[in-house]
Amino acid sequence: RKEVEQDPGPFNVPEGATVAFNCTYSNSASQSFFWYRQDCRKEPKLLMSVYSSGNEDGRFTAQLNRASQYISLLIRDSKLSDSATYLCVVTGGTGRRALTFGSGTRLQVQP
Amino acid sequence: DADVTQTPRNRITKTGKRIMLECSQTKGHDRMYWYRQDPGLGLRLIYYSFDVKDINKGEISDGYSVSRQAQAKFSLSLESAIPNQTALYFCATSFALAGGDTQYFGPGTRLTVL
Repeated sequence: RKEVEQDPGPFNVPEGATVAFNCTYSNSASQSFFWYRQDCRKEPKLLMSVYSSGNEDGRFTAQLNRASQYISLLIRDSKLSDSATYLCVVTGGTGRRALTFGSGTRLQVQP
Repeated sequence: DADVTQTPRNRITKTGKRIMLECSQTKGHDRMYWYRQDPGLGLRLIYYSFDVKDINKGEISDGYSVSRQAQAKFSLSLESAIPNQTALYFCATSFALAGGDTQYFGPGTRLTVL
C-alpha cells in the first residue's frame, strides 16, 4: 500500500463547478499535511497547509480527518486556471519530518 | 532571480556516464532535498540534508550520491547513469517550522539516459 494515495483522475469539470479531491495516508504518526499544486512540466508549489480544524483560502477549503486518515480539498467556482495536478503531501515518510508526496490528482476545468 | 535554481535544466547522456546535477538557493534555508518524479509515481525522495554536516538517505538513494558544499548548494550525482534513472529531478529547500516545513522547489532538471 502506498503511504499516500490519491485518485489520479483526470477530473473533467465545467467552469464554475465545485470539485473535491480526497487523499488517504497510511502513517498514523504523520503530523503535518499540505496540498501542493503542480502545473504541467513545472515545479510543485504550496497551495495550502491543512489544519485539524479545517481551513479555507478563498475558493479552496482543506479538511483533515485524523481518525480516518484522509485529507480533502474542495475547490468552489472552478476557473480555467485551476487546471493542474494537485498533490497531497504528509510528513513522517522517511526520517525526520521529510515529506511524502501522493502521485497527484489531475484536474481539467473546461469552458 | 529565482530563489532555487537548478543546472542543467535538460540533459541527455549515455549509460555509464557520470552526471552531476546542481542546486543553489538564495532563500537562506538550512534544509535541502532531492526528489525524482516519474509519471504515475509522484515525487520520491532521494536524499535530504538538514544542514551542511547532515546528509540522509531517502527512499530511493541507490545509484545516487550527494554533496552539500555549502548551506546554499546541494548537488546530486549519478556515478554511472542507467536508463531507469531517466526522470524529472527536483531540488527543494525548506526551513523548520513547528507546524511543518513548507518546501520551495527549483524548476527541475529533465534527465534522459540513453
